[in-house]
Amino acid sequence: EVQLVESGGGLVQPGGSLRLSCAVSGFTFSTYWMGWVRQAPGKGLEWVANIKQDGSEKYYGDSVKGRFTISRDNAKNSLYLQMNSLRAEDTAEYYCARIRQYGGSRFWAFDIWGQGTTVTVSS
Amino acid sequence: DIQMTQSPSSLSASVGDRVTITCRASQSISNYLNWYQQKPGKAPKLLIYTASTLQSGVPSRFSGSGSGTDFTLTISSLQPEDFATYYCQQTYSCSFGQGTKLEIK
Repeated sequence: EVQLVESGGGLVQPGGSLRLSCAVSGFTFSTYWMGWVRQAPGKGLEWVANIKQDGSEKYYGDSVKGRFTISRDNAKNSLYLQMNSLRAEDTAEYYCARIRQYGGSRFWAFDIWGQGTTVTVSS
Repeated sequence: DIQMTQSPSSLSASVGDRVTITCRASQSISNYLNWYQQKPGKAPKLLIYTASTLQSGVPSRFSGSGSGTDFTLTISSLQPEDFATYYCQQTYSCSFGQGTKLEIK
């Protein structure tokens, strides 16, 4: 069974840091791009970051660029999101997701999602 | 940045109705467009990718069309389990629409 299980969420003060993890099972992790998507309470989906299979390419949404770092450990079948300089507006449910490619660098979709982990930034 | 605008933002419909949701891109994105369904408290689910290809396991009452800047998601005959929020996503540079909440009339 394909599973993505996020962890590491919690309450953090503004300016603080948090590291999210996503444990993957049921597919060959090292052969897929992976990503993070977040959703603020009562709001829509916002793309956060994507990472290539070997970690050599990383892309970020404008609102997190320079503060968040996506990484992966293929030996541990795990995806990570290091979040620094956290702000109140980073409060959200954070989902990790598998990226399925359909040919061509821009033909892709998030085809498998985890259940999410909650990050709350507040003093 | 490419902006994705969905319309309507919310929609009331009845079981058996035919429903269409529109997604418009601020510039041409060819057919780099996906649709997701999200139910309360759950992760999103991929419905359609590359504008018109149905994801495996998704009922055939869902269909997608469009290219360039204008796209549609159509549900041919609403079922009770279809009441949810729907999002489009462009993968030219990656962003989501604001969502369309489909409610029971």
